[in-house]
Amino acid sequence: EPEVTQTPSHQVTQMGQEVILRCVPISNHLYFYWYRQILGQKVEFLVSFYNNEISEKSEIFDDQFSVERPDGSNFTLKIRSTKLEDSAMYFCASTEQETQYFGPGTRLLVL
Amino acid sequence: GQNIDQPTEMTATEGAIVQINCTYQTSGFNGLFWYQQHAGEAPTFLSYNVLDGLEEKGRFSSFLSRSKGYSYLLLKELQMKDSASYLCAVRDLGNSGYSTLTFGKGTMLLVSP
Repeated sequence: EPEVTQTPSHQVTQMGQEVILRCVPISNHLYFYWYRQILGQKVEFLVSFYNNEISEKSEIFDDQFSVERPDGSNFTLKIRSTKLEDSAMYFCASTEQETQYFGPGTRLLVL
Repeated sequence: GQNIDQPTEMTATEGAIVQINCTYQTSGFNGLFWYQQHAGEAPTFLSYNVLDGLEEKGRFSSFLSRSKGYSYLLLKELQMKDSASYLCAVRDLGNSGYSTLTFGKGTMLLVSP
């Protein structure tokens, strides 16, 4: 069964550094998403992406964040200058129509 | 904005039936999802309702009443592995016409022997 994959599974970085989180959505899916989940809190929507551009973004998704689909398979989330409060689990999801399927997540720790 | 409420915790015993409720308030409702999330793992899809009524899928059923802004997830024949957080999520049409998914805080279900 096709799955969303994410790399790396864990990332530790220093405050102020840039990080790039990578996702490979399910191949025939057209809509892609990033979510984050701070430890012990709810899953929060960050951004959705369709037809090579952002379709929706939340208030969390400020100028420090960007997304890109650099080739036909990868979907990336970049955080330009990480802050302590960016420490969270970041989930990528993709969908063809209704149901969003989530990747296993990248656990980001900012020190 | 959106407001999604579900109980924080529930407990049940193996073999029993449990119902997890979810109420929501949203402006552009476009479907309700239930996900299961084990600690440290990704949410996994359980069910989807967009019309009123009951959707059954094996041991899991989900009900929706759009007029009441209410849904429930029913789990039958509980097993120990069902101990997890159950997330109610509402799909809403955003300002640009594309859908966004807003999650509740989740209900932590503990199944005991």
